[in-house]
Amino acid sequence: GAVVSQHPSRVICKSGTSVKIECRSLDFQATTMFWYRQFPKQSLMLMATSNEGSKATYEQGVEKDKFLINHASLTLSTLTVTSAHPEDSSFYICSAISTGSNEKLFFGSGTQLSVL
Amino acid sequence: QKEVEQNSGPLSVPEGAIASLNCTYSDRGSQSFFWYRQYSGKSPELIMSIYSNGDKEDGRFTAQLNKASQYVSLLIRDSQPSDSATYLCAGGPSKIIFGSGTRLSIRP
Repeated sequence: GAVVSQHPSRVICKSGTSVKIECRSLDFQATTMFWYRQFPKQSLMLMATSNEGSKATYEQGVEKDKFLINHASLTLSTLTVTSAHPEDSSFYICSAISTGSNEKLFFGSGTQLSVL
Repeated sequence: QKEVEQNSGPLSVPEGAIASLNCTYSDRGSQSFFWYRQYSGKSPELIMSIYSNGDKEDGRFTAQLNKASQYVSLLIRDSQPSDSATYLCAGGPSKIIFGSGTRLSIRP
């Protein structure tokens, strides 16, 4: 089946630094990828929709200058958390749509970000 | 109104029984629906996807979609303790929105 690889799985950083998270579709091309954030015991909240070759579409309340998304190829999208603060600590999950007869949404393994 | 709504639970079901999870959605343009299972600290894993009205069965799992009533459900037959997890319903016309999840507990 389709596989989405997300890296790193866990990162600890100091406040004020930037962190980049990669999301790759391994055996299919993904024109659209999604980035979600999940706080403990809460559901996945869509942050942005990443479209290959164009600007990402951000959900209301998500700062586009803080969460930089780049979808430069059909198999790679990156999320950069700039000037991270402790309140950015969360579980970040990417997903990609595998198109075909029916669309399916596959998830990366997630990145646990802890900002000290 | 939330776009995708689920009962947060917890839902407790005895082992071997049928667990029934329900979800409603507000966007009538939604075409794709998914059920995911998520264990604590892990990423969601896809259980079922459904796109047309009716039932879709896969092993012990059956997804049901009713577009007229705007609900989608998941039935788990012969529930096992390993089925204990949070189940997330998701759907949408283009971007996929998740419900808040239902915690399911299977008691031995």
